[in-house]
Amino acid sequence: AQKITQTQPGMFVQEKEAVTLDCTYDTSDPSYGLFWYKQPSSGEMIFLIYQGSYDQQNATEGRYSLNFQKARKSANLVISASQLGDSAMYFCAMREGLGYTDKLIFGTGTRLQVFP
Amino acid sequence: DTGVSQNPRHKITKRGQNVTFRCDPISEHNRLYWYRQTLGQGPEFLTYFQNEAQLEKSRLLSDRFSAERPKGSFSTLEIQRTEQGDSAMYLCASSPSGGANYEQYFGPGTRLTVT
Repeated sequence: AQKITQTQPGMFVQEKEAVTLDCTYDTSDPSYGLFWYKQPSSGEMIFLIYQGSYDQQNATEGRYSLNFQKARKSANLVISASQLGDSAMYFCAMREGLGYTDKLIFGTGTRLQVFP
Repeated sequence: DTGVSQNPRHKITKRGQNVTFRCDPISEHNRLYWYRQTLGQGPEFLTYFQNEAQLEKSRLLSDRFSAERPKGSFSTLEIQRTEQGDSAMYLCASSPSGGANYEQYFGPGTRLTVT
């Protein structure tokens, strides 16, 4: 079974608009972390934002916020005021059992294209 | 503070040849990870090290793959008798031991093409 599901292969957004990238996850572990990474065409994975399973508030980092709905097992990324430089692949990832295993499990990604 | 570096950035090899990739993590980071990414997919975990100890290996890591981190600093990933299915981007990441959010910092990757 897929542990991380990203159902949007591609998204378009106009510059300065907000966009939401969807991510659902599947785990029975009560301790986990959720991450979003950006991968531009150059290939490097750039960390954007983190949400811990016990965090009470949604994470925010500048123009990025994470809409964490634990009961629905979703961790959607919201990018406000999109910029042309936001065009890239975006990956949602999960780390289970914090402290016991260290691997990240990634989804298949969403390609975001920002147009003027 | 330099980031994670990987060499080479690109490697083209013929099927059956051996290849070795190098990863230099961020200097104070104790944890080092290897992932493989094929076209249209997210990265898949291969293995990780805490200092020089290899603590976890994926079942994806066949006997032809071996990784080392001999002095707890840089790491090498070797693929023996390469196959066309090994063509992928090989990503290295590092993170500090502990840390509240366990963020992993990725390098630029080594793109392997097996002909």
